[in-house]
Amino acid sequence: QVQLVQSGAEVKKPGSSVKVSCKASGGTFSKYTISWVRQAPGQGLEWMGGVIPLFGTAHYAQNFQDRVTITTDKSTRTTYMEMSGLRSEDTAVYYCAGNVNTTILYYMAVWGRGTTVTVSS
Amino acid sequence: QSVLTQPPSVSAAPGQTVTISCSGVTSNIGNNYVSWYQQFPGTAPKLLIYDNDQRPSGIPDRFSGSKSGSSATLAISGLQLGDEAAYYCGTWDPTLTTGRVVFGGGTKLTVL
Repeated sequence: QVQLVQSGAEVKKPGSSVKVSCKASGGTFSKYTISWVRQAPGQGLEWMGGVIPLFGTAHYAQNFQDRVTITTDKSTRTTYMEMSGLRSEDTAVYYCAGNVNTTILYYMAVWGRGTTVTVSS
Repeated sequence: QSVLTQPPSVSAAPGQTVTISCSGVTSNIGNNYVSWYQQFPGTAPKLLIYDNDQRPSGIPDRFSGSKSGSSATLAISGLQLGDEAAYYCGTWDPTLTTGRVVFGGGTKLTVL
């Protein structure tokens, strides 16, 4: 069974950057996809972007393409999401989520537990 | 303002059937597959339905999905107290320059 294990909670100052990791463990697979989805307190889900490591390129939602970089290390099955220019409105739970043995990005079958990022001065 | 429109809340009694609607437009729901997620407070979402009407392994057949035109529906039959959660629909939206996954605003299900 594939699991996505995320890094721990972060507290950041406005204007700084944060880098969250997501490691896929368990199972065997030759291809997979990882998306990043955030959820502000009391709000709904917002897709930020995703990556298909087999193809090597990330795909970003327009709202995030200037501030977010998604990278992946295939050797460690770890995907990273880095966001710069943090502001208080970026305070949210950040989930990595994806699929195994497919290149589909438009739904997510496996989810991490989430990483809380708090932006506060 | 979410791209997909869901009712903020629905309610029904145990044992009954409830439906949750998800409305979009031709370019997103109309031309792409819809998925549904269940989320309990403080936990990650869980995939319930993908490709409009397919259930992942382990999801009871009490949960079913359908799509017609630019709208989709999640139906939950034989409601249980444990179904009380938030439900989100999602699909691909190819508009704007990059395309993206879009979600509905979520529907809170109350089991009376």
